[in-house]
Amino acid sequence: EIVLTQSPATLSLSLGERATLSCRASQSISASLAWYQQKPGQAPRLLIYDASNRATGIPARFSGSGSGTDFTLTISSLEPEDFAVYYCQQRYSWPSFGQGTRLEIK
Amino acid sequence: EVQLVESGGGLVRPGESLRLSCAASGFTFRNAWMSWVRQAPGKGLEWIGRIKSESDGGTTDYAAPVKGRFTVSRRDSKNTLYLQMNSLKTEDTAIYFCTTDALYFDFTGLFDYWGQGALVTVSS
Repeated sequence: EIVLTQSPATLSLSLGERATLSCRASQSISASLAWYQQKPGQAPRLLIYDASNRATGIPARFSGSGSGTDFTLTISSLEPEDFAVYYCQQRYSWPSFGQGTRLEIK
Repeated sequence: EVQLVESGGGLVRPGESLRLSCAASGFTFRNAWMSWVRQAPGKGLEWIGRIKSESDGGTTDYAAPVKGRFTVSRRDSKNTLYLQMNSLKTEDTAIYFCTTDALYFDFTGLFDYWGQGALVTVSS
């Protein structure tokens, strides 16, 4: 089983700041990593697939990078609607998710 | 527009069974691989099972915690996905999401469209 570890657990930032979220895999997963955003009471939404590709309709302020075991989701300038929980997920083996990073307003 | 609508959630006692349904629209359901993902209250996401399209064999795969107890099936004539849950345990309490599996991609294991979820509570 591939374990994904996200850090930090909670990130407190202000509007307009840059957010950097990390995801580390327990073994190499090539670029088979996705990122999802989940707001309270809603289903997750796909943001990034294969480490760096934005899904349809996702704003350009969201970007992903990394390969192997270390991955990053960057939000270049935080908008009010970006405060949510973010999950990484690997598809290199049977799908698994990280435990999530809560992005909150400072 | 892709739409997935789950139904059938509710309160059951440990050891009982429940079947969830997911009505799909806005895409060619018979060609789609489909998955179920759950989320325990206040917790993270957990993939629990998937079914391939009939043209790809219609086979199923499950995560270890539910293997042997849960069954994913589909009825393409009704554009509907099912999750049959038997021998339910308190730790199965969660919101269950129906998802497409890489609907418009040539690989699998990507959850690109999600339903709103169905709450299953297992309690005595």
